[in-house]
Amino acid sequence: SQQGEEDPQALSIQEGENATMNCSYKTSINNLQWYRQNSGRGLVHLILIRSNEREKHSGRLRVTLDTSKKSSSLLITASRAADTASYFCATDAGETSGSRLTFGEGTQLTVNP
Amino acid sequence: DAGVTQSPTHLIKTRGQHVTLRCSPISGHKSVSWYQQVLGQGPQFIFQYYEKEERGRGNFPDRFSARQFPNYSSELNVNALLLGDSALYLCASSWGGGGETQYFGPGTRLLVL
Repeated sequence: SQQGEEDPQALSIQEGENATMNCSYKTSINNLQWYRQNSGRGLVHLILIRSNEREKHSGRLRVTLDTSKKSSSLLITASRAADTASYFCATDAGETSGSRLTFGEGTQLTVNP
Repeated sequence: DAGVTQSPTHLIKTRGQHVTLRCSPISGHKSVSWYQQVLGQGPQFIFQYYEKEERGRGNFPDRFSARQFPNYSSELNVNALLLGDSALYLCASSWGGGGETQYFGPGTRLLVL
């Protein structure tokens, strides 16, 4: 079963606009990771945010984490057609459970040129 | 440096057969995890191996088994294939046993007829 839920399930925007995707989860976590997947290929790691962090940036990506609300958001600024992909959040409960990532269902982002 | 590699890239089997999928982690990584991704869903955790020992098992039947070799590469075996086993099988590697970024390979797409 999936722990996380992504919202929205699908998002369609114009090039240059910002895209925001949200993720909610149910249990305590050690960290939360965001991944991108193009057309059913392998997952590309975007960013990892630890439970004691509230915000993290990487290039055009901004991730926030609110552990009190058990939620995270991924913001992609100035989107490009090449950002079209599925985006997944995945939670890691920590070393006691090994490296078990629990994924949400994903958000399908379409960026129109 | 090479990323995570998986073989084969595609595979077609019939019900009742068995299959072996292979994964080579990033050089220096000691942990390998396996995930199953059914079309339209997020990946689901199957196994994690760290230093050649099983560290975690997901909610999959005993038809699924895996092992890790001294060079940290790994095999996933599935016996008595069912139609529902058709999926993208993803391998991920990380340096340690938990709480770190996992890097995914391109996956093996298995079709069971």
